Amino acid sequence: SAVISQKPSRDICQRGTSLTIQCQVDSQVTMMFWYRQQPGQSLTLIATANQGSEATYESGFVIDKFPISRPNLTFSTLTVSNMSPEDSSIYLCSVRSPWTGEKTDTQYFGPGTRLTVL
Amino acid sequence: GDSVTQMEGPVTLSEEAFLTINCTYTATGYPSLFWYVQYPGEGLQLLLKATKADDKGSNKGFEATYRKETTSFHLEKGSVQVSDSAVYFCALSARGGSARQLTFGSGTQLTVLP
Repeated sequence: SAVISQKPSRDICQRGTSLTIQCQVDSQVTMMFWYRQQPGQSLTLIATANQGSEATYESGFVIDKFPISRPNLTFSTLTVSNMSPEDSSIYLCSVRSPWTGEKTDTQYFGPGTRLTVL
Repeated sequence: GDSVTQMEGPVTLSEEAFLTINCTYTATGYPSLFWYVQYPGEGLQLLLKATKADDKGSNKGFEATYRKETTSFHLEKGSVQVSDSAVYFCALSARGGSARQLTFGSGTQLTVLP
């Protein structure tokens, strides 16, 4: 499996500000995903980020609120813009195999970024 | 669309008890099925997976069998430990489509008491 790191691991932010979350992978991967996990809830896909193209957003998520960059095959950022307390969540990036020797499209997750908006 | 239905929690067991967490799914075609575990304060870890009917995924004493006839992927462990306390998510990845993103169940909180 890939080693995935996220920065920051947690943050406390003020309403109206923005936070950029970084996701770094130790392998080149085609597809990266960003998820949100609201307190006590399951995961909801925000968007799919492919290198060299614009991110594809799921229903209910828009680029102005959650801009995503994907400058290369090992890195992506998610920005949470103009934050409100409702944005308090865990944000997770994930990457999808297959890579060498693995035929199944398995997703692996980063450790998450715990965001609290006051 | 695709969906995953998980046994509602929370589940509380004594150490060495038998664990079953039920998971059923709805999907077109033949999805891949997964169990992920989230320990307190951590991200999601892949626990086990199965890619076709009758496959059994296993890891750390946990097992789940892909049952196409009942569209189920129940998680079992014969003897749980306190360290198994976590939230468990069942998920599927449907074949076809360009993204093949995961569809998650609602999660089941497991607490194991000493």
